[in-house]
Amino acid sequence: KAGVTQTPRYLIKTRGQQVTLSCSPISGHRSVSWYQQTPGQGLQFLFEYFSETQRNKGNFPGRFSGRQFSNSRSEMNVSTLELGDSALYLCASSPPQGQLGNYGYTFGSGTRLTVV
Amino acid sequence: GQQVMQIPQYQHVQEGEDFTTYCNSSTTLSNIQWYKQRPGGHPVFLIQLVKSGEVKKQKRLTFQFGEAKKNSSLHITATQTTDVGTYFCAGRDTDKLIFGTGTRLQVFP
Repeated sequence: KAGVTQTPRYLIKTRGQQVTLSCSPISGHRSVSWYQQTPGQGLQFLFEYFSETQRNKGNFPGRFSGRQFSNSRSEMNVSTLELGDSALYLCASSPPQGQLGNYGYTFGSGTRLTVV
Repeated sequence: GQQVMQIPQYQHVQEGEDFTTYCNSSTTLSNIQWYKQRPGGHPVFLIQLVKSGEVKKQKRLTFQFGEAKKNSSLHITATQTTDVGTYFCAGRDTDKLIFGTGTRLQVFP
């Protein structure tokens, strides 16, 4: 079956602009999590959505937001971009709790955002 | 909040040598997962451990979950160049998965 699809793969934006990233999870997965990965900070949890509801949120400023649609596709938005927002943004989907079994999270290839 | 630390941060080994990375959580974990990220790639799920003291093997990889469910380890026997990458542990804090700081493994032929 198809994996997790993230678009776009690469993005260059200017400070102060906003950006929207998209993630399509594996068919049947209703949970989508977003992570920010930078060389110095590793994988930082942004938020998690399940059935269109934000279930958990990490320690990021309000400029970072997200949403999930009825088809489980998710978007994250970053407004008023700063240089420090340059990172690889990863989306991961997982089956519902109780069905996790030994499947873990499946990550997309990520969107590499560069803020100049 | 929960913190998950890994040591060492980096490890360089000669091909054929063994490698171990250790993962420590500030809180008790319901389960722990391990992921591998190749250079330029994304994390790929390796395994999940759930029971206290659990040990699982995947070919040359041995995963262990501590008795107190606050630490874990990944041991690779006789490393190969294909083992290169960053290994992350990840512990579940309520509903969110918190990743460790990662151990970057470099293998020299």
